[in-house]
Amino acid sequence: GNSVTQMEGPVTLSEEAFLTINCTYTATGYPSLFWYVQYPGEGLQLLLKATKADDKGSNKGFEATYRKETTSFHLEKGSVQVSDSAVYFCALSTYTGNQFYFGTGTSLTVIP
Amino acid sequence: EAGVAQSPRYKIIEKRQSVAFWCNPISGHATLYWYQQILGQGPKLLIQFQNNGVVDDSQLPKDRFSAERLKGVDSTLKIQPAKLEDSAVYLCASREGGLYTEAFFGQGTRLTVV
Repeated sequence: GNSVTQMEGPVTLSEEAFLTINCTYTATGYPSLFWYVQYPGEGLQLLLKATKADDKGSNKGFEATYRKETTSFHLEKGSVQVSDSAVYFCALSTYTGNQFYFGTGTSLTVIP
Repeated sequence: EAGVAQSPRYKIIEKRQSVAFWCNPISGHATLYWYQQILGQGPKLLIQFQNNGVVDDSQLPKDRFSAERLKGVDSTLKIQPAKLEDSAVYLCASREGGLYTEAFFGQGTRLTVV
């Protein structure tokens, strides 16, 4: 079946620290991979995506590389800011059924 | 372009009452999803529409939940009767195309059942 596994949180970092949030997936076929971010009181927003192996998605200083050999899509940022405090969701989409599968989310708090 | 619109934003009801949520997707988006997000968890798909047809409702508790998508555009999700465990945020999302496109989410409706 299709599923996404994310590292559990919550994660607390000091401003300007390096961030990694791990995500691994199981999928039939070749999925597209996404990171969504949810700020307090808001809906989910797309942060970045990658649609094929070795693609790197990037946005707002965040990056993630689609690794088919390790079935992973880890999210990284070199220097986090207080404004990055949010919940981050890894997700995949499959060709069959046009569905999205989400991980459980990782809460990030950045302290000044 | 306008985003996905949902209403109401918040709703408090007593158990055994009924409630309805409304979603207006982005114009032209054929696929519409309803998700349930319980506090501290990831979104769980309740139902997926392709135009006005149901693609997947395998996780919809059909004894109490129902959904429809009128003319392949707006959608409503109804709960009748509500239970305490239905307290969650209900998210609507729409998607233009297939595998390579992202889903766009509304702000959600926070339901509290007391």
